Amino acid sequence: RKEVEQDPGPFNVPEGATVAFNCTYSNSASQSFFWYRQDCRKEPKLLMSVYSSGNEDGRFTAQLNRASQYISLLIRDSKLSDSATYLCAPQGGKLIFGQGTELSVKP
Amino acid sequence: DTGVSQDPRHKITKRGQNVTFRCDPISEHNRLYWYRQTLGQGPEFLTYFQNEAQLEKSRLLSDRFSAERPKGSFSTLEIQRTEQGDSAMYLCASSSAGPRYNEQFFGPGTRLTVL
Repeated sequence: RKEVEQDPGPFNVPEGATVAFNCTYSNSASQSFFWYRQDCRKEPKLLMSVYSSGNEDGRFTAQLNRASQYISLLIRDSKLSDSATYLCAPQGGKLIFGQGTELSVKP
Repeated sequence: DTGVSQDPRHKITKRGQNVTFRCDPISEHNRLYWYRQTLGQGPEFLTYFQNEAQLEKSRLLSDRFSAERPKGSFSTLEIQRTEQGDSAMYLCASSSAGPRYNEQFFGPGTRLTVL
């Protein structure tokens, strides 16, 4: 089993839609969790940090389920500019990334 | 610009040549990380430093790879005798040692192509 697994994409959604991605992790000792977004051929940019059960920032909500060892990212009212690859990373010193979930928001 | 910087941004080399990349972290960050990313995959951890000490190295980091951070500021990653399989984006990230030390910020990367 991979250390971090993400929903395979791509997700193709219309503008205004709500979309959710899941990420499962195998290291139960992980304490911190991160969502990064990565645009094509660019570096990952930190989107959200999760240190407890969840976090919310505007249209973005991250939920952590420690018992089931997964973390989700919910995007409400999708914008064209949300089109990117979303990377999940539990942290234990270094970041262990999933393979990413590609999101494409269409007009 | 006070973010993480990397140089060069692109490098094309022939198989068997040596290459060296540089990373300048955010100035107040004492942790520095190197990752490698290939197309369609998430970044893979290579190594990290706290100040000048190299604290962890991935098994991915073969003997041909060496990283240094001699004064606890910038870091270099050298690949000797490059192979075509080394073609990838090499990303550097930095973080602080404070309460949010886990939050890593990435540089723009160095894209390596080995012919």
